[in-house]
Amino acid sequence: QQQVKQSPQSLIVQKGGIPIINCAYENTAFDYFPWYQQFPGKGPALLIAIRPDVSEKKEGRFTISFNKSAKQFSLHIMDSQPGDSATYFCAARERSGGGADGLTFGKGTHLIIQP
Amino acid sequence: SAVISQKPSRDICQRGTSLTIQCQVDSQVTMMFWYRQQPGQSLTLIATANQGSEATYESGFVIDKFPISRPNLTFSTLTVSNMSPEDSSIYLCSTRGALYEQYFGPGTRLTVT
Repeated sequence: QQQVKQSPQSLIVQKGGIPIINCAYENTAFDYFPWYQQFPGKGPALLIAIRPDVSEKKEGRFTISFNKSAKQFSLHIMDSQPGDSATYFCAARERSGGGADGLTFGKGTHLIIQP
Repeated sequence: SAVISQKPSRDICQRGTSLTIQCQVDSQVTMMFWYRQQPGQSLTLIATANQGSEATYESGFVIDKFPISRPNLTFSTLTVSNMSPEDSSIYLCSTRGALYEQYFGPGTRLTVT
C-alpha cells in the first residue's frame, strides 16, 4: 500500500513557468511533510517542509500548499529555471511514540525545465 | 544542517559477499536512519539507529540481512549481507535535525554481480 501518492511521474515546463507537483496521503498520523530535490548521483536535499497547522509556506521560489481536510499537499516552483531540473520527492513523517521517526516517500517526479 | 559523508561512494560486489557502508556525521546526532533507493525509484526506510539501543527495522527488512551498528553519536554502519543482484541499490544514511527535518548523505551506489 502506497502511503504517499505523488503525481505526475514526469513533468516538462518552459523556463519561467510554474511546475506544480502534487501529493496525497491517507494516514492521519502524518504530521510533517517535507519536499526533497535530488540531482543524478547525489543524495536528496531538503527543500522545504510544512506542518499540518499551516496552509502555505514559502521559501524563496518554492511554495508548499497544504490542504489538511483533503489530505493533499503540493509544491510550486516559481520562475522555474533549467537548473531546477531534477527529481522531486514528497515525504511524510508519522507521529509515533515509539521513537521511530523515518520518512515515507512518494515515488518522485522527474522535472525538466526547458530553456 | 549536519554534514554527512558515506564510504564507499560506490562498489561492485560479487554475489554472496557482504559490504559494510560507513556513515559519518560532523556533529552529534541522536537519530540516524538508513534508506534504500533502487535504481530510478523512491526511497524506502530500512531502519532507524539510535545510539545505545538496537536498531528498529521496517517491515521487509531484517537484522540478519542488514545488521546496523551505532557505536557513538557521530557514526553508524550498515552491512548488506549475503548479497544478491536484487540488493543493487543506492544506500543512504540520514540524520534528524533539531525538529523533524532529515538530512541525507551522498549515498553509496552498490552493484552486485
